[in-house]
Amino acid sequence: RKEVEQDPGPFNVPEGATVAFNCTYSNSASQSFFWYRQDCRKEPKLLMSVYSSGNEDGRFTAQLNRASQYISLLIRDSKLSDSATYLCVVILPTGGYNKLIFGAGTRLAVHP
Amino acid sequence: NAGVMQNPRHLVRRRGQEARLRCSPMKGHSHVYWYRQLPEEGLKFMVYLQKENIIDESGMPKERFSAEFPKEGPSILRIQQVVRGDSAAYFCASSQYDRAAINQPQHFGDGTRLSIL
Repeated sequence: RKEVEQDPGPFNVPEGATVAFNCTYSNSASQSFFWYRQDCRKEPKLLMSVYSSGNEDGRFTAQLNRASQYISLLIRDSKLSDSATYLCVVILPTGGYNKLIFGAGTRLAVHP
Repeated sequence: NAGVMQNPRHLVRRRGQEARLRCSPMKGHSHVYWYRQLPEEGLKFMVYLQKENIIDESGMPKERFSAEFPKEGPSILRIQQVVRGDSAAYFCASSQYDRAAINQPQHFGDGTRLSIL
């Protein structure tokens, strides 16, 4: 089983739609969680952290369910510029340091 | 306010040649991480280095690959006798802390796209 699993997509949605991505992680020792965004052939960029209480940043909402080992990202009122690959990232304490484990990403394509 | 700097952006090598990829971390960061991304796949951890030390190289192939982060100068990822399967994007990231700030994310460079002919 992969350490971090995501639906690869693609999710094809019209502008203005609401879309949700899910991510599951296998190691219950995972401590911190992030969503990164990666545009085609570019570097990953931090989108937002994910907290147990949930957090919201504008049109983006992230949720964490530790019991189910499940993370979600909700994007409301999708824009064309939201088209990208969204990477679920888990921090796992390993051998005395914090290791980032990346999911393979979920592709989002927003069309007019 | 320079971020993580990687060079070259693109590198073309023929099979059997050596590839050297460079990474200068953000100012004040002493922890460097290398990742490899194959087409249509996620980032795979390769190696984690602090100045002059390799902390974790569990993701790096045992042969042909090596990494260093000298006291002075950038971190280098070196691939000897390259093969077609080495074609990928190689990303470097840096952070200020390793374990002290559990919520501190890593900052990525633009990557080096390696193509093997």
